[in-house]
Amino acid sequence: GNSVTQMEGPVTLSEEAFLTINCTYTATGYPSLFWYVQYPGEGLQLLLKATKADDKGSNKGFEATYRKETTSFHLEKGSVQVSDSAVYFCALNNQAGTALIFGKGTTLSVSS
Amino acid sequence: GAVVSQHPSWVICKSGTSVKIECRSLDFQATTMFWYRQFPKQSLMLMATSNEGSKATYEQGVEKDKFLINHASLTLSTLTVTSAHPEDSSFYICSARRDSNYEQYFGPGTRLTVT
Repeated sequence: GNSVTQMEGPVTLSEEAFLTINCTYTATGYPSLFWYVQYPGEGLQLLLKATKADDKGSNKGFEATYRKETTSFHLEKGSVQVSDSAVYFCALNNQAGTALIFGKGTTLSVSS
Repeated sequence: GAVVSQHPSWVICKSGTSVKIECRSLDFQATTMFWYRQFPKQSLMLMATSNEGSKATYEQGVEKDKFLINHASLTLSTLTVTSAHPEDSSFYICSARRDSNYEQYFGPGTRLTVT
């Protein structure tokens, strides 16, 4: 079946450090891939997405590239800020508009 | 735009009672909404797909008689946890799929504690 595996957290970084959160997936066909962010006390927000192989999603300085050969969608940011502290979820769906399959989430904590 | 609300944001109830959670799309129509459950340090697990005007589709292992879903309008879906027990304590999250572009928008979640 379809599944998403992302690195265990928490990830603790200093401000301006480089961030990578690994995400790999198992799916039939050609899924769409997503990163969602959940700030404390808030709902999940779409951070970025990619719908086909080699697509790069980007938003707010975050990037992720859909790598079909490695079935990966790693999230990166060159210089994190304290305000990036949140829980990040990698997710996929096999068909537009269907329910999402989530990874377990990775907590990021950035200190000044 | 594209705001989804949930009410209540948290609720405490006694074992054996029922609790209703509302999910509303405030500024768009959503024929389809999804209900997820999240345990501490766990992923969001899909419970059911709610469709306006028809019966919900439940995932394997989810008791439809325990988790009643009603999607009575294009902006409102409700999840009722019937005869709640402590093991039903969890974080319940809904998402609404906007009809115009199929994008999904998430509510802030409802924390249910059953004592």
